[in-house]
Amino acid sequence: AQSVTQLDSQVPVFEEAPVELRCNYSSSVSVYLFWYVQYPNQGLQLLLKYLSGSTLVKGINGFEAEFNKSQTSFHLRKPSVHISDTAEYFCALHGPNNNDMRFGAGTRLTVKP
Amino acid sequence: KAGVTQTPRYLIKTRGQQVTLSCSPISGHRSVSWYQQTPGQGLQFLFEYFSETQRNKGNFPGRFSGRQFSNSRSEMNVSTLELGDSALYLCASTRDRGNTGELFFGEGSRLTVL
Repeated sequence: AQSVTQLDSQVPVFEEAPVELRCNYSSSVSVYLFWYVQYPNQGLQLLLKYLSGSTLVKGINGFEAEFNKSQTSFHLRKPSVHISDTAEYFCALHGPNNNDMRFGAGTRLTVKP
Repeated sequence: KAGVTQTPRYLIKTRGQQVTLSCSPISGHRSVSWYQQTPGQGLQFLFEYFSETQRNKGNFPGRFSGRQFSNSRSEMNVSTLELGDSALYLCASTRDRGNTGELFFGEGSRLTVL
């Protein structure tokens, strides 16, 4: 069975500080990995995705993530956060033969001034 | 290019009633998935439709149903509403089968059951 675990339910951080949101996955086959962001009262928006190739993936709004197959991780990072980055972040995986996306429980990032 | 459109955005129902939610995917997208989002359970997959056929279904009771029309628009229905059905219902579309799974989400329909 495939699953996604987000290790932190809440991450408070001060503005301009770096942040890392952690995501581990479990799968016996190759998967595609995603990070989505959800702002209040909105749907989910794709931040970045790993399909294959380079393990360092760059996304929108200055975010990046690194795929680590040996650690089965896909952590999201940003070197300097802004107040506007306050949102819920979801890690997700999609198997090559699945028709559904498996989501983690989400990490609420709160950026404080 | 218009995004995924969900209607209504907000609605309030009472226990025992039924509700129908609508989703119009991005033009050219033929796959539509539905998710339920609650604070306690997070994002849970309901079902996915492709070319008017349900291809995959999550672990929800039969009170939850859906359908897809020939223009790819989709509806989901929840009958005999329970308090626990209060949630944000998200619709997402993708281009076609065999894709990488990238989903394009609507803003959701927030259902409150009283």
